[in-house]
Amino acid sequence: GAGVSQSPRYKVAKRGQDVALRCDPISGHVSLFWYQQALGQGPEFLTYFQNEAQLDKSGLPSDRFFAERPEGSVSTLKIQRTQQEDSAVYLCASSLWGSGVGDTQYFGPGTRLTVL
Amino acid sequence: AQSVAQPEDQVNVAEGNPLTVKCTYSVSGNPYLFWYVQYPNRGLQFLLKYITGDNLVKGSYGFEAEFNKSQTSFHLKKPSALVSDSALYFCAVILYGQNFVFGPGTRLSVLP
Repeated sequence: GAGVSQSPRYKVAKRGQDVALRCDPISGHVSLFWYQQALGQGPEFLTYFQNEAQLDKSGLPSDRFFAERPEGSVSTLKIQRTQQEDSAVYLCASSLWGSGVGDTQYFGPGTRLTVL
Repeated sequence: AQSVAQPEDQVNVAEGNPLTVKCTYSVSGNPYLFWYVQYPNRGLQFLLKYITGDNLVKGSYGFEAEFNKSQTSFHLKKPSALVSDSALYFCAVILYGQNFVFGPGTRLSVLP
């Protein structure tokens, strides 16, 4: 079956621009996660949804970052007024059930954001 | 706070030889432990996980990992490495009700 998909795969933005990154989770998966992966590092947690509810946004680095999942399926991560330090790969993952219950998270290919 | 260490940035092994990629963790509680692999320009691909039960976990592509509670380790192993195993490997830990914490990654190079 289809896995997690993300679009765009690559995004170049000028400093100060707003960007929107899309994630389509595996159909029927309740939970959706966003991670930020800087070059040469492991992914770092940003935020977590269970259906349409954003249960944890403790990893969002600033109030310029905003995520939503209005119908409990597709999610969008929005970054306002992008800065160079926002350059990273943004990974989306989904799991059948919830966070922290040992449920496997399945990852999309990521969106590589470069801020000039 | 949870943390995961992968003490080797790079592991080199000859094709056909056994490989080990090390992972140690620091958590207060009973963790769930995962291994993921990342190929260039791809997302993370699930290999295996330890939840409970047998300390030796078998996963995809011939990989296995051994949970050692006393040493707080979860090393990834494979009896015979393939060139196609060359990739970036991440260990991750999660506690009930919390979120994944990933290690920094280990780059595995299998030499023909």
